[in-house]
Amino acid sequence: KQEVTQIPAALSVPEGENLVLNCSFTDSAIYNLQWFRQDPGKGLTSLLLIQSSQREQTSGRLNASLDKSSGRSTLYIAASQPGDSATYLCAVKSSASKIIFGSGTRLSIRP
Amino acid sequence: ETGVTQTPRHLVMGMTNKKSLKCEQHLGHNAMYWYKQSAKKPLELMFVYSLEERVENNSVPSRFSPECPNSSHLFLHLHTLQPEDSALYLCASSLDSNSGTEAFFGQGTRLTVV
Repeated sequence: KQEVTQIPAALSVPEGENLVLNCSFTDSAIYNLQWFRQDPGKGLTSLLLIQSSQREQTSGRLNASLDKSSGRSTLYIAASQPGDSATYLCAVKSSASKIIFGSGTRLSIRP
Repeated sequence: ETGVTQTPRHLVMGMTNKKSLKCEQHLGHNAMYWYKQSAKKPLELMFVYSLEERVENNSVPSRFSPECPNSSHLFLHLHTLQPEDSALYLCASSLDSNSGTEAFFGQGTRLTVV
């Protein structure tokens, strides 16, 4: 049974810092891994999608890596801004039909 | 705007009411999903439909009844709910359910059962 874990559960850093969010999963047989952002009370916004054959994806200040063999992914945010404050969710698509989520990391960027 | 629209955005219902949540996508996707997000818990997968057929039912109580009349629409019919069913219900779609295609989520319906 696939399990997804995100560490830390919460993170607070001053504006301008680079930071890394971590995601680990127990079953390496995955189709893809997706990072989402969720603002309070809102839906999920897709940030980056990494296919199982890929090692990383980049979008602007965001870079996500995938190490399937070790069951790990990281989301790197460069030059953080207060607008980056949100909950970041990692989700793994494994076996037919299932997209399994971690509990998220609640990120707060201090001005 | 992700292309997945959920209505209503907020819903308050009594335990004896019957209501329905609606999800709509015109992205040409063939797979649609219902998730439940409760406070301080990970998103829980409830149902998956692929080409209008239910392919996943994650031990969800029968007071939740999904319906997928076509590949663009997904409903969640609710009846005799409990207060612990209060949560954010999220709908998602992807091109298909069996490959690495990206999932897109709606804004959710915030459900409160009183």
